[in-house]
Amino acid sequence: DQQVKQNSPSLSVQEGRISILNCDYTNSMFDYFLWYKKYPAEGPTFLISISSIKDKNEDGRFTVFLNKSAKHLSLHIVPSQPGDSAVYFCAASALNNDMRFGAGTRLTVKP
Amino acid sequence: DAGVIQSPRHEVTEMGQEVTLRCKPISGHDYLFWYRQTMMRGLELLIYFNNNVPIDDSGMPEDRFSAKMPNASFSTLKIQPSEPRDSAVYFCASSFVGGFGEKLFFGSGTQLSVL
Repeated sequence: DQQVKQNSPSLSVQEGRISILNCDYTNSMFDYFLWYKKYPAEGPTFLISISSIKDKNEDGRFTVFLNKSAKHLSLHIVPSQPGDSAVYFCAASALNNDMRFGAGTRLTVKP
Repeated sequence: DAGVIQSPRHEVTEMGQEVTLRCKPISGHDYLFWYRQTMMRGLELLIYFNNNVPIDDSGMPEDRFSAKMPNASFSTLKIQPSEPRDSAVYFCASSFVGGFGEKLFFGSGTQLSVL
């Protein structure tokens, strides 16, 4: 069963604009959430994370928002750059120490 | 550190053959994870180890799949016999302290094609 869902397989935005990637989860036991970025022919790399005690975490151009009541999180990239073009995976973990991933969203930033 | 190292990078085999994927985690990491990436399901957790002991293998698709971690620096994922539906990218990842709140470090993956 897909405990972490990314319903948009792809997203295209113009350089300089905001990119918003969304993620929903079903397991209320998840209390730590991460975003990973993946370029072709490479493994995913960690981008940003947030714990359930927060509703926002910011790192430079990247901000993650968490809405626990809605079981929803989002990643905002402002401003978007062509180098941000990649597949973004949402992930969630709980105390049992495994990490579940969504199906990914392919972001294309057009110059 | 060289990061998580996976081999081979690409594997093409025929249906029914045995396939063995290999992984060397980052030194000092005590958790090791095997994931499979497909278009439909994204990154699926297959199995993970803590201190070389399998903790959760509920994601392993069926008995054709097996994984071992004989020591802290080596793990294998074996498929026997392989089937075309096993074609995917298989990733190994490691972490310190475990996946809870701790980011995973991924290898570059093994692209498996079963003809």
